[in-house]
Amino acid sequence: EVQLVESGGDLVQPGGSLRLSCAASGFTFTNYWMHWVRQAPGKGLVWVSRINSDGSDTSYADSVKGRFTISRDNAKNTLYLQMNGLRAEDTAVYYCARDWRGATSTFGYWGQGTLVTVSS
Amino acid sequence: DIQMTQSPSSLSASVGDRVTITCRASQGISNYLAWFQQKPGKAPKSLIYAASSLQSGVPSKFSGSGSGTDFTLTISSLQPEDFATYYCQQYKSYPPTFGQGTKVEIK
Repeated sequence: EVQLVESGGDLVQPGGSLRLSCAASGFTFTNYWMHWVRQAPGKGLVWVSRINSDGSDTSYADSVKGRFTISRDNAKNTLYLQMNGLRAEDTAVYYCARDWRGATSTFGYWGQGTLVTVSS
Repeated sequence: DIQMTQSPSSLSASVGDRVTITCRASQGISNYLAWFQQKPGKAPKSLIYAASSLQSGVPSKFSGSGSGTDFTLTISSLQPEDFATYYCQQYKSYPPTFGQGTKVEIK
């Protein structure tokens, strides 16, 4: 059974930093691109970032480019999102998502999400 | 960026009703279209990929159709567990983008 378990969400002040983690199990982690998708309170889904299977290629939404860094540790089956320069508009539930078939950029499985609140 | 527009934004329907949700892309995306279901407080769940292919384990009351710019999600006979918000998503080009969602409520 595919499982994705996020952690690391917290209340942080504007300008602060946070690192999210996503522990993956139940599938061969190294075969799949991985993504972060976020959802602000009461709003829709927004794709944030993607990393390829070996971590050599990444992509970001314009809204987070230069502030967020996606990475992965294939030995630990774990995905990360380093978030710097946080803003109030980054407040959201952050979901880790496994690519549907490997490298398609749609999402076959989702974690339960972790809440990031940016507020003073 | 490709914009995805869903209609309606919300609808009220009764158990047993046939429900159709429309998703329109701002440019052609072939069949690179997925549908997701999200219940309150829960993570989204994948329903359909490639516009019309059901994900494993998804009941056949869900169906998708379309190609190019216009797509539909149909629920053939609405059940209590189907009341949720539904999102379309294009994966033809970066960044992947979602529709704004369609909330299906009980009449």
